[in-house]
Amino acid sequence: DAGITQSPRHKVTETGTPVTLRCHQTENHRYMYWYRQDPGHGLRLIHYSYGVKDTDKGEVSDGYSVSRSKTEDFLLTLESATSSQTSVYFCATTGTENTGELFFGEGSRLTVL
Amino acid sequence: AQSVSQHNHHVILSEAASLELGCNYSYGGTVNLFWYVQYPGQHLQLLLKYFSGDPLVKGIKGFEAEFIKSKFSFNLRKPSVQWSDTAEYFCAVKAASTGANSKLTFGKGITLSVRP
Repeated sequence: DAGITQSPRHKVTETGTPVTLRCHQTENHRYMYWYRQDPGHGLRLIHYSYGVKDTDKGEVSDGYSVSRSKTEDFLLTLESATSSQTSVYFCATTGTENTGELFFGEGSRLTVL
Repeated sequence: AQSVSQHNHHVILSEAASLELGCNYSYGGTVNLFWYVQYPGQHLQLLLKYFSGDPLVKGIKGFEAEFIKSKFSFNLRKPSVQWSDTAEYFCAVKAASTGANSKLTFGKGITLSVRP
């Protein structure tokens, strides 16, 4: 394992509230990713980071923002949560080689009522 | 941009049956190919990978996959499944370049249920 921890692991919130999910890694990996997993859609990339303060959008970035102020932490923020953002969120990392071999966190299950 | 197609959504097998899960990708250049597995209630973990060389790659737990470049395919196989292989399986592809914009693309996944 690449020493990836996500918090919180479970969260229930109401529509319109802000939510922040945290991903912390201890491997000094350069690349970090946020995916969401939904039945029938597989994993879809939300945002990714290729270094401190270097981030970019994935395929489903609307309604999400990210920040990476330290190598080890990658935060995903839902500014105003909607029911369509109910999902399981996975953080993943990979090293400088960026081969595509990802190491995943345990996931954060978010329910927006 | 690359894309991945996994043909079956749910496969049901009995123990000891042989398994083949299909995966096709679309991308015109050199690719790195992966199969990830997600056991119930767990996160994804790497099953096997192909970067170059022998197109038949072996992974953990007796799985193997064959890269057929002419067919843009990377099918997963196992000669005899076990109940513990019940999981969701994801094929993934990435352009072989290592730039920051070169990202992994996943298929939608195949759920494998193995009956004891």
